[in-house]
Amino acid sequence: QKEVEQDPGPLSVPEGAIVSLNCTYSNSAFQYFMWYRQYSRKGPELLMYTYSSGNKEDGRFTAQVDKSSKYISLFIRDSQPSDSATYLCAMYRSNTGKLIFGQGTTLQVKP
Amino acid sequence: DGGITQSPKYLFRKEGQNVTLSCEQNLNHDAMYWYRQDPGQGLRLIYYSQIVNDFQKGDIAEGYSVSREKKESFPLTVTSAQKNPTAFYLCASSMDRGPYNEQFFGPGTRLTVL
Repeated sequence: QKEVEQDPGPLSVPEGAIVSLNCTYSNSAFQYFMWYRQYSRKGPELLMYTYSSGNKEDGRFTAQVDKSSKYISLFIRDSQPSDSATYLCAMYRSNTGKLIFGQGTTLQVKP
Repeated sequence: DGGITQSPKYLFRKEGQNVTLSCEQNLNHDAMYWYRQDPGQGLRLIYYSQIVNDFQKGDIAEGYSVSREKKESFPLTVTSAQKNPTAFYLCASSMDRGPYNEQFFGPGTRLTVL
């Protein structure tokens, strides 16, 4: 069983839809949670970073962490075609100092 | 412009050959990393370096080697011992290895073994 599970999709939505992307994890040693966005044939770029349980908002993006359920989410409001990319969750394992990535979810927003 | 460069963008290798992937950063970061990405899989850590002349194995180091002779450079050699080297290779750097430090990624090198 992988430490971090993420549905690879693909996920296809119409422009303007609300998108929900999710990851689950099994190890309580994960303390810091990130979402990266990766456009095709490019390197990932950091989108959101959270530590505590709860919500963090940045423009159209909201990151949610539920440590009791070991579940994190990324919500995208008013999705745009430019949001079409692969979204990777990542978690920092404090006992090893390593960043562990989910498989990534491929999102397509259709005009 | 500050950033991370990787070269080449595409690389083709015959079986049995060693190849070296270049990674250079001008962000003055201490820590550097190499990841491998396969279709439908997340990034997996190959090697990392916290400081010049020091590096540690990641989760999938077998068949790979690295060096860190300069702060700016962290080349990765894919040896003939790597059984399935075809993949997308990503280099990253951060100020140090703590959790508060964002990892910045290069554009990647796509390696194909013929």
